[in-house]
Amino acid sequence: AQKITQTQPGMFVQEKEAVTLDCTYDTSDPSYGLFWYKQPSSGEMIFLIYQGSYDQQNATEGRYSLNFQKARKSANLVISASQLGDSAMYFCAMTLSHILTGGGNKLTFGTGTQLKVEL
Amino acid sequence: DSGVTQTPKHLITATGQRVTLRCSPRSGDLSVYWYQQSLDQGLQFLIQYYNGEERAKGNILERFSAQQFPDLHSELNLSSLELGDSALYFCASSAGQDQPQHFGDGTRLSIL
Repeated sequence: AQKITQTQPGMFVQEKEAVTLDCTYDTSDPSYGLFWYKQPSSGEMIFLIYQGSYDQQNATEGRYSLNFQKARKSANLVISASQLGDSAMYFCAMTLSHILTGGGNKLTFGTGTQLKVEL
Repeated sequence: DSGVTQTPKHLITATGQRVTLRCSPRSGDLSVYWYQQSLDQGLQFLIQYYNGEERAKGNILERFSAQQFPDLHSELNLSSLELGDSALYFCASSAGQDQPQHFGDGTRLSIL
């Protein structure tokens, strides 16, 4: 079984500053994927970034980067140059390889971090 | 816009009723997933289909059922509704196994 832990229920950051949202995961399987999603107050779930367990480089997508530390089982999201529009709930999630699960690759989510960007 | 379409956006009904939620995946995506988001349970996986076949099942109640049709759209049927079924129901799709899942805007179900 896999588990995702997000220990920061809420965070504040000033506009234009960088912010790190923490995520740790627990699995004994060697092949897995790690994801971050953003959920604004309007409710939709927006895919931000993906990191595979065998990827050597940390994933980056524009202002988002994933700080992947495999030995520590952490997959922190870094948002650079925060904008007011970044205010939202952020979820870390993971899947196991479908080869290990027998075909399914459900997402297991953490409890989320509510980010508020201030002027 | 994720490319995943869910209808309806909002649904208000009474206890004991039955509803059907519909999802059209992104063009070309074979996998469809259903998730439930509630205040007390967070985001929970319900069920996954791949090219018309059930691939994985989560903590989906027996009162709930789903299917994926030959054109790859999917429906989630919820019956004998209870107050606790009030939640945001998401559909997601992916291009293949181990690919990022893209979510629709969700259907907000309110049971009165």
